Amino acid sequence: EIVLTQSPTTIAASPGEKVTITCRASSSVSYMYWYQQKPGASPKPWIYDTSKLASGVPNRFSGSGSGTSYSLTINTMETEDAATYYCQQWSSTPHTFGAGTKLELK
Amino acid sequence: QVQLKESGPGLVQPSETLSLTCTVSGFSLTSYSVSWVRQPSGKGPEWMGRMWYDGDTAYNSALKSRLSISRDTSKNQVFLKMNSLQTDDTGTYYCTRDSTVMGFAYWGQGTLVTVSS
Repeated sequence: EIVLTQSPTTIAASPGEKVTITCRASSSVSYMYWYQQKPGASPKPWIYDTSKLASGVPNRFSGSGSGTSYSLTINTMETEDAATYYCQQWSSTPHTFGAGTKLELK
Repeated sequence: QVQLKESGPGLVQPSETLSLTCTVSGFSLTSYSVSWVRQPSGKGPEWMGRMWYDGDTAYNSALKSRLSISRDTSKNQVFLKMNSLQTDDTGTYYCTRDSTVMGFAYWGQGTLVTVSS
């Protein structure tokens, strides 16, 4: 099973600040997927195929990485971006998720 | 539009069997695969298993001995049955429509399952 380790666990950012969340895989994966989840809601697809934005995702978000190291970056933090972000791998079963990074507004 | 909706009992006794139904609309179960994903409160999601579009199934090895996924294409429903439930099976259970490009592309609203006596 591929274990995904996200860091940091929690991060607080001010509006306009740049934010980077990382996800490290215990074995190499071909692509990384990211989901955004707000309290009481289902996870939403956010970034797929490592760097492609899902429909409706603002272009201040970006994704990058390869092999065992991936990241999600918000160029300029906005209030609505406060949420928990999960990375997920599709390369092998079981499809595993990271434990999440909670992004809070400072 | 694509919709998925989970239904089932909110409370299950320890050692009992959980039965959930995912009712889908806006797509055909013979064209798209559907997964079950669960999430304990405050933790990351866990993929449980998949009903492939061709009727085949795949399971998380950690749950395989307790889990069964089936479907009724005429009713647009996918079913989950998991036996020997324990308290750490408590959480929100989701069904998702899968995409080899986008991952878990569509999610249901989820159904909270509590395992308690």
